[in-house]
Order: sequence, then structure tokens, then C-alpha cells
Amino acid sequence: DTGVSQDPRHKITKRGQNVTFRCDPISEHNRLYWYRQTLGQGPEFLTYFQNEAQLEKSRLLSDRFSAERPKGSFSTLEIQRTEQGDSAMYLCASSFHDTEAFFGQGTRLTVV
Amino acid sequence: AQTVTQSQPEMSVQEAETVTLSCTYDTSESNYYLFWYKQPPSRQMILVIRQEAYKQQNATENRFSVNFQKAAKSFSLKISDSQLGDTAMYFCRNNFGNEKLTFGTGTRLTIIP
Repeated sequence: DTGVSQDPRHKITKRGQNVTFRCDPISEHNRLYWYRQTLGQGPEFLTYFQNEAQLEKSRLLSDRFSAERPKGSFSTLEIQRTEQGDSAMYLCASSFHDTEAFFGQGTRLTVV
Repeated sequence: AQTVTQSQPEMSVQEAETVTLSCTYDTSESNYYLFWYKQPPSRQMILVIRQEAYKQQNATENRFSVNFQKAAKSFSLKISDSQLGDTAMYFCRNNFGNEKLTFGTGTRLTIIP
């Protein structure tokens, strides 16, 4: 399968723990996006990369969130000191420049 | 601000009927893309159709077509011969220049058997 891959699919963690998610984009795509989605809502932009450069980060994003794309291929999203309000689906998408983005299946995070 | 607005939170239609979902946007860009995405319940977000702003011809993909009115900044999605599998959230999305690809708030479409 050559689509966008996210790992893990589900994560349950205790409040205060750190979690890290991984996204493998479609191989020729230079842009990679992270979104957060809660039930019944549209995806909320978190950040995006062009190659290895992080070009924009949402002002709503807490300092507890950090993302990397070290070699311009896969990306990781880390949440430190998780809170119950972080419970959501985390979506990754990739695109070739500014054309259509393709989405992964998401990582569902539950903070207990 | 460059925004995308979907004014219909929910819609329902009988199977086999035609339904139109609305989307308006605001941008100062002259060249851009617009997209419609579909997200079935508990499933992956998938691309339905895209429209390039410089093209006057409306995009069509099988039963899905758009009515793109650039001057009015309107980008509606028409689903013909609706099927039960069309039940989903539908999101309108932009890519204005280097913007971060904003989604509309979505329209929940239910196809009634």
C-alpha cells in the first residue's frame, strides 16, 4: 500500500504521560500536514512541513506539542504531559506541493 | 482573512435523489485549488473532487460534480443518484497560496433508504 500510513492507530495513555505518533507520507510528496479532529468537528490544523522545514504552526497549539520531519520523509508528533483535552483523532496528510492532500487513517488518542 | 464557510450543518435526502452541498470562500488569491472531501462515519478522509480556479469548466467525477462560481466565490458539490454509501461528513477545503489548508465546518449528509 502506497498511501499515507499512521502509527499507532489507537493509543490510550494516562494523564501526564508523553506520547509520540508517526506518519509516513506518500513517498514523492514534499508536504506533510498534521490535524486534530474531535467528534463531530472538522479537522483543526496543527502544523505543516515542506520537506524538512516546518513552515507553519497553529497559534492554538500548546508548547506541549512538537513535530519533526528530520529527513523530509516521515514525521513524528509528540505530546508532552498529556491532558484529557488532548483526546482526539490526530490526522496526517501529505501532498505534492499545493495539490490535493491524501490522508492517513489517523491515530486515536485517549487520555485517561 | 482567507476562509471557507459551509452553511449547512446537516442535510438528508432520499436514495437516488440529487443533493447539493454549499461552500463559500474568501480569498485574494487569483490561482488556487478547492477540494471536497468525504469522511464516512469512523473512517478515513478521502478526496471526492478538486477544482482548479483557473479552469472555467466545472470538475466532474462520476456522480459528483461541482458548480464553481469564481466571481461569487462559491464552490458547491452536487451528488447525483445518491447512494447509501454517500452518507458521510463532507468538508470543503482550500489551498490558497501558502495557506495551511483550512477546512470548512462540514456538512453531515444522510442518505435515507
